[in-house]
This record gives sequence, C-alpha cells and structure tokens, in this order.
Amino acid sequence: KQEVTQIPAALSVPEGENLVLNCSFTDSAIYNLQWFRQDPGKGLTSLLLIQSSQREQTSGRLNASLDKSSGRSTLYIAASQPGDSATYLCGIQGGSEKLVFGKGTKLTVNP
Amino acid sequence: GAVVSQHPSWVICKSGTSVKIECRSLDFQATTMFWYRQFPKQSLMLMATSNEGSKATYEQGVEKDKFLINHASLTLSTLTVTSAHPEDSSFYICSSDPRTVGNTEAFFGQGTRLTVV
Repeated sequence: KQEVTQIPAALSVPEGENLVLNCSFTDSAIYNLQWFRQDPGKGLTSLLLIQSSQREQTSGRLNASLDKSSGRSTLYIAASQPGDSATYLCGIQGGSEKLVFGKGTKLTVNP
Repeated sequence: GAVVSQHPSWVICKSGTSVKIECRSLDFQATTMFWYRQFPKQSLMLMATSNEGSKATYEQGVEKDKFLINHASLTLSTLTVTSAHPEDSSFYICSSDPRTVGNTEAFFGQGTRLTVV
C-alpha cells in the first residue's frame, strides 16, 4: 500500500525567499507524480506532473524533481510571493489510476 | 488545462435528507471520474471510482448505499449522500483526466463543502 508523507506540515517564509517542499513515498512503482496547490475551501490546481520516466519538470518559478529509487520528490519555489501562500499537495498515481495524497504542506509567504 | 466543474460549491442540509453533488468535465470526455473526501487538515481520501455506463468501484470502508454514484454520460458524474448525518459533513472533491488525448494529468473540481445540521 502506497503511503505518502509531506514534510514540513507547515512553513512560513519571508517574501522573496527560495524554498523546498518535500514529498516521500514508500512504493517506487509509480506511474506519475503530481504536485497540486489548494487554496482554503477550494479544489486542487495542478502545478506540475512528472511521469515516472522523468526526473524533473519546470513551470515558471516552480521546479519539481523525482527520484524514484529513493522515493522522493521535491517542489522548489523560487523568489516566493505572498500569492504563493496555499497548501501544496503531492499526489502519486500507481497502476490503479487513482491518486494517493500526502497531507500537504501549508505555506505562508509573509510580505 | 482541462476543466472539471463541480456544483454546488457549498450546501447545508438537515440531518436525514439527501444531497446531490455534480461533477462535469467541460472540455473533454471522462470515462472515469474519482470522488474524494477531505477532512480538515487531512489528506484527500479516495471514496470511489466512477465509471461511465457501469457501476462505481468503492474503496474499503465506504458505504455504497449511502454514497450513491451515477455516471450516466461521458461528461457528468453525480454523488448523492443519502440520509445525511452530521458526521458526513466534509469537503467532497471530484477529479478526472482527459485520457482520450493521451494526457494523464488529473484535474479537480472546485470542491463541495457539505454541512449537515
């Protein structure tokens, strides 16, 4: 059974700082890994999708990496802004198509 | 990206009544949709997989007679919470992915906040 852990549970940083969010998983037989953003009371917004054959994906100030052998993924956010404040979720898709999620990291970027 | 629309965004109902939540794929056909439930400060937990034209597949511990799922068309899946109780109060979210175009990226609806009083 896949288990996903996200560390830290919460993070508070000043505006402009670069930061890293971590996601670890127990079963390396994954199909893909997806990072999402969730604002309070809202659904999930897809940020980056990494296929199992890929090692990283980039979109703007976001960079996500994947190391299947060690069961880890990181989401790097450069030059953080107050608008980046949200909960970031890591979701992993195995062979059954469904996603298994971590509990998320709540990010607060202070002006 | 693809658009998944969920309605309503919030609902308050009395204990014992039923509530229907709709999930629509607006710009692609969704043969499969997923329904999740999220408690405060917790992860999303998959409740069931909705399959167009066939019965839904429920996760262990989820009562199929309480959470009725209908996926009658390629763009619409509904979740009905029957005889709702206060412990059913939660945030319900649906998702799908436009596999018909070879894209495995999952897209989510806006979520529905259900409060049972």
